[in-house]
Amino acid sequence: GAGVSQSPSNKVTEKGKDVELRCDPISGHTALYWYRQRLGQGLEFLIYFQGNSAPDKSGLPSDRFSAERTGESVSTLTIQRTQQEDSAVYLCASSKDRPLAGGPGAKNIQYFGAGTRLSVL
Amino acid sequence: AQRVTQPEKLLSVFKGAPVELKCNYSYSGSPELFWYVQYSRQRLQLLLRHISRESIKGFTADLNKGETSFHLKKPFAQEEDSAMYYCALQGAQKLVFGQGTRLTINP
Repeated sequence: GAGVSQSPSNKVTEKGKDVELRCDPISGHTALYWYRQRLGQGLEFLIYFQGNSAPDKSGLPSDRFSAERTGESVSTLTIQRTQQEDSAVYLCASSKDRPLAGGPGAKNIQYFGAGTRLSVL
Repeated sequence: AQRVTQPEKLLSVFKGAPVELKCNYSYSGSPELFWYVQYSRQRLQLLLRHISRESIKGFTADLNKGETSFHLKKPFAQEEDSAMYYCALQGAQKLVFGQGTRLTINP
């Protein structure tokens, strides 16, 4: 694909409902990342996948948040029993290789999707 | 602990004036640093990385390990440079971002 694709682009939900956000990484990219950006704040790391395993889940804010990835393709971020403080833009990124694969070739450069804007009423 | 600090949330300069967006980091290892930019209604994208030591759109950034800084500079600002700029530090598993600086170039 041309780039990282996220859906939906906007999601409005009621407090207490579950939501599922989807990310399609660039084809061939082994690493996938989820970030959260609250209004007026920087990007907050949530979780990192290498293939379909998640070496780092340290950023998930609570057990209401979970994510999975199928092979080296689609990932879904699920938020259960949404709260108003979950309102944010959720960004997905992918990179060709693992985060420390730097040097020539820039295999660790992250390419971002357009994000899903989640509003919890 | 990894940390990135961008002290200015907002920066406004006139077209043609020099620009410097500040970034300081905290990292115990050998850092790999990036500047990402987000133009209005566009997605976040890489502007430059310190390893490549290149100039992109007239911007440069030099890693100063003594001062733990990676400031972004451009000698003559243009209106199309108006955007949100994020400094980021590559850790073992993730990018750690600063809070971002919104740069506005006034005509």
